Amino acid sequence: EADIYQTPRYLVIGTGKKITLECSQTMGHDKMYWYQQDPGMELHLIHYSYGVNSTEKGDLSSESTVSRIRTEHFPLTLESARPSHTSQYLCASSEYNALAASTDTQYFGPGTRLTVL
Amino acid sequence: GQNIDQPTEMTATEGAIVQINCTYQTSGFNGLFWYQQHAGEAPTFLSYNVLDGLEEKGRFSSFLSRSKGYSYLLLKELQMKDSASYLCAVSGSPLSGGYNKLIFGAGTRLAVHP
Repeated sequence: EADIYQTPRYLVIGTGKKITLECSQTMGHDKMYWYQQDPGMELHLIHYSYGVNSTEKGDLSSESTVSRIRTEHFPLTLESARPSHTSQYLCASSEYNALAASTDTQYFGPGTRLTVL
Repeated sequence: GQNIDQPTEMTATEGAIVQINCTYQTSGFNGLFWYQQHAGEAPTFLSYNVLDGLEEKGRFSSFLSRSKGYSYLLLKELQMKDSASYLCAVSGSPLSGGYNKLIFGAGTRLAVHP
């Protein structure tokens, strides 16, 4: 199982602030993901990366941006936070799983619960 | 379109058996995952099915029928710590980079009572 870390776990900030949510994994996984999850709702993919210097937008339109300069690090940045950004942000990474022959198994970090006032 | 349906909430008694159903309609299929998510915590991987049939792993089993677009997660000998949300996720259409994205259901919140 992957060791994947997110900081901060909880963040309350005012509108207009710039924030960066940190995500790091120590397993050397090539692929990393950011999901957004509202209470009682499904996870929505907002960004993913399949390696260093490669990032793509996911299904859900997001005003956030990501970078992947190092394999283990995949930070997410909001240039100007708004109340509509209030949500839980989950980071994940994946590796090829011999049991899951045709797809990767994703392992999740503990999440950052963001509240924008 | 792509859709995953599972019941919103279920309740069960400690020591009992519970079955959580999941139906899906996706544009591609490369397997189905079940994750457990305790409140405020990360989803943790429980099981993966890509072929029809039952996969057993201790107290948890997962079943898949690809022709029916149907899966279930079976939890036996329920314990209080099994109170959590259970997320059904289908590995579907490929993303760029050659891997498949996960499409998640909203989760089933299971409450286990003494």
